[in-house]
Amino acid sequence: AQSVAQPEDQVNVAEGNPLTVKCTYSVSGNPYLFWYVQYPNRGLQFLLKYITGDNLVKGSYGFEAEFNKSQTSFHLKKPSALVSDSALYFCAVSALTGGSYIPTFGRGTSLIVHP
Amino acid sequence: GAGVSQSPSNKVTEKGKDVELRCDPISGHTALYWYRQRLGQGLEFLIYFQGNSAPDKSGLPSDRFSAERTGESVSTLTIQRTQQEDSAVYLCASSLIVGHTDTQYFGPGTRLTVL
Repeated sequence: AQSVAQPEDQVNVAEGNPLTVKCTYSVSGNPYLFWYVQYPNRGLQFLLKYITGDNLVKGSYGFEAEFNKSQTSFHLKKPSALVSDSALYFCAVSALTGGSYIPTFGRGTSLIVHP
Repeated sequence: GAGVSQSPSNKVTEKGKDVELRCDPISGHTALYWYRQRLGQGLEFLIYFQGNSAPDKSGLPSDRFSAERTGESVSTLTIQRTQQEDSAVYLCASSLIVGHTDTQYFGPGTRLTVL
């Protein structure tokens, strides 16, 4: 069975500092990896995804993530955090399981950016 | 164009009552997903519709849960004889094409409270 782990419930960072939100996964076969963001009182929004190719993926709002196959990780990063980046971030993995590609989501990491 | 919409936004019901939740996907999207998000938890997959194919119901937690979708349009999620543990936010998502690599677009969710 596939799984996703987001080991940190909460990440605190000062505005202007780099941020990292961690994600590790476990699948059989090739993984397809996603990051979504959930702002307060709003639905989930797509940030970026890794399907194939370059391990460094760039997405919306200046975010990027690096696919590391040996470490089975897909950490989300941003060089300089903004207060407006404060939100709940979800990592998801999709892989062929039982004949279908149902995505599995992590529990989410709350990112708090302090002014 | 409009995004994914869900109704109602909030639903409070008494234990044992039936509830029906509605999802309007983005026009033209062939795939539609239902998820449950309990407080402090990740997204829990419930059911997946793919065009006119038989839905993947593998995530439905019990036979009290059912969902329908007519063609590539509106979907309804029905919970019969609601229990307090059904309290959660129910999220709907749609994607343009069938496939594990496609981005999902989420609705704002329906917050269900079972008293």
